[in-house]
Amino acid sequence: NAGVMQNPRHLVRRRGQEARLRCSPMKGHSHVYWYRQLPEEGLKFMVYLQKENIIDESGMPKERFSAEFPKEGPSILRIQQVVRGDSAAYFCASSLGRTRSYEQYFGPGTRLTVT
Amino acid sequence: DAKTTQPPSMDCAEGRAANLPCNHSTISGNEYVYWYRQIHSQGPQYIIHGLKNNETNEMASLIITEDRKSSTLILPHATLRDTAVYYCIAGTNQAGTALIFGKGTTLSVSS
Repeated sequence: NAGVMQNPRHLVRRRGQEARLRCSPMKGHSHVYWYRQLPEEGLKFMVYLQKENIIDESGMPKERFSAEFPKEGPSILRIQQVVRGDSAAYFCASSLGRTRSYEQYFGPGTRLTVT
Repeated sequence: DAKTTQPPSMDCAEGRAANLPCNHSTISGNEYVYWYRQIHSQGPQYIIHGLKNNETNEMASLIITEDRKSSTLILPHATLRDTAVYYCIAGTNQAGTALIFGKGTTLSVSS
C-alpha cells in the first residue's frame, strides 16, 4: 500500500531557475495539501487542491509560486525564478477529504536548495 | 482555529510512559484535537485525534479534559524511535482543513 510519493527528494537550483516538485497522493485520496518548512521553522500551509481545482491558496506567496492537480498525474508545485529564500523542505499531504481531512498523510518531502 | 500551547521540550526514559500536555483553552465545540509528530526531518505522521472522549489506538492514547481546554498524549512505552517533535493541533474536520503547526514539543527518549 504505497504512501504519498514525492519527487525529487532533493533538488538543487541556481537563482533564477524554475523548480518543479511532484506529489502523488495515496491511492483513493483526492485531496492534496502542500506545506513548506523553512530551516529551523515550523511547517506552514501553502495550498489545498482537489482534482483540477485549487480550493485554498491562502498560504501561497503571491508571486512565482503556482500549484496544480490535474485530472491525470501527480500534483505539481512550481516555483519560478527561485531565490535563496525559497530553500526549504516542501511537504505534500493527502487525505480522503470530507469527514477525515484532519487525517493527512505526508510524503517524505522535497528538499530544495537554491544556490 | 484554536491556538494551542505546548512545552518546548520533554525528556523520557526508554520503556516509560511519555505524557505530552497541550493547552487549547479557546477551542470551540466543533473543533477536534489532533496530534502529529515529525521524526528528524521526515514528513509529519498522524498519531491520533479526539473531540471530547478519550481515544486509544495502536500508537497512543489521548486524554481530553472534561472542559476540553487541555489534553494529554500518552505514549505508553516510549522507545528511542519515538524521539520526535510532537504537534498538538486544534481544528475542524471539514474538508480542506489546513493543519496549523506550532512549535510543538521536542520529546527526547533516552536509554
